[in-house]
Amino acid sequence: DIVMTQTPLASPVTLGQPASIACRSSQSLVHSDGDTYLSWLQQRPGQPPRPLIYKISNRFSGVPDRFSGSGAGTEFTLKISRVEAEDVGVYYCMQATQFPPTFGQGTRLEIK
Amino acid sequence: QVQLVQSGSEMGKPGASVKVSCKTSGYTFSNYGISWVRQAPGQGFEWMGWIAVYNGHTDYERKFQGRLSMTIERPTMTVYMELRSLRLDDTAVYYCARVRRPGGPDNWGQGTLITVSA
Repeated sequence: DIVMTQTPLASPVTLGQPASIACRSSQSLVHSDGDTYLSWLQQRPGQPPRPLIYKISNRFSGVPDRFSGSGAGTEFTLKISRVEAEDVGVYYCMQATQFPPTFGQGTRLEIK
Repeated sequence: QVQLVQSGSEMGKPGASVKVSCKTSGYTFSNYGISWVRQAPGQGFEWMGWIAVYNGHTDYERKFQGRLSMTIERPTMTVYMELRSLRLDDTAVYYCARVRRPGGPDNWGQGTLITVSA
C-alpha cells in the first residue's frame, strides 16, 4: 500500500498569516491515465470530512480561493494564504491513484 | 444538491453484526460508486471498500475480507455496509462517500457511530 506522510503534524498559525502542509507519498501518484489522484480534505471538530482539493490543485465547488494545492509525483503541498478562524481543524491528504486508497495521518491546524 | 444520509448510531456486542445504510439523492445514482471509510476515536481515516453502483462490483480492503459486505438497493438509491464478527476495535465512525474511480470521494455522508462493547 502507498504510505502517505504529512508534515507537520500540528501547525499553530496566527490569524491572517499563511499556512502550509506537506504530504509525501511512498510511490509516485501518477496514474496510468496521466492524472494524479491526490486530494486534500478538511475535518472541522465534530464534523465529517470536507473535500477541498482534487487532482493536486483543483478546488471543489464552494472552497475559498485562499486554499491552493500544488506538487507532483510524490511531493505535494496544501497552502492557506491567510488563515481564518473557520479553518481550524485537521487536514488530510489522500491518494486514490493506487488501490487501496490511503490517507495521511493528518495535520492539526490551530490558532496561536 | 448531492446528499448522502446515513443511518443512526448503533451499539453491538463482540461477534455480532451491524448494517449501516447510506441513502443518496441529487445525482445519477449509477454514475458513481460508494466507498466506505472509518475513523476510530481520535484517529485518522481507514478505507474499507468500494461498490460500483452500475454493476454491483465490490473491492474490499484485505483486512476486512470475509466479514464485510456492501450491497445496493436501487429503487431507494441506498447503499448498505454490513460488518460481521464485530471486534472491540471496530468502534469507529463509519462514513459513506461518493466516488468516481479512479478519483477520490467528492461528497461524504454525515457518519454513523458504531460502538462495540461487551
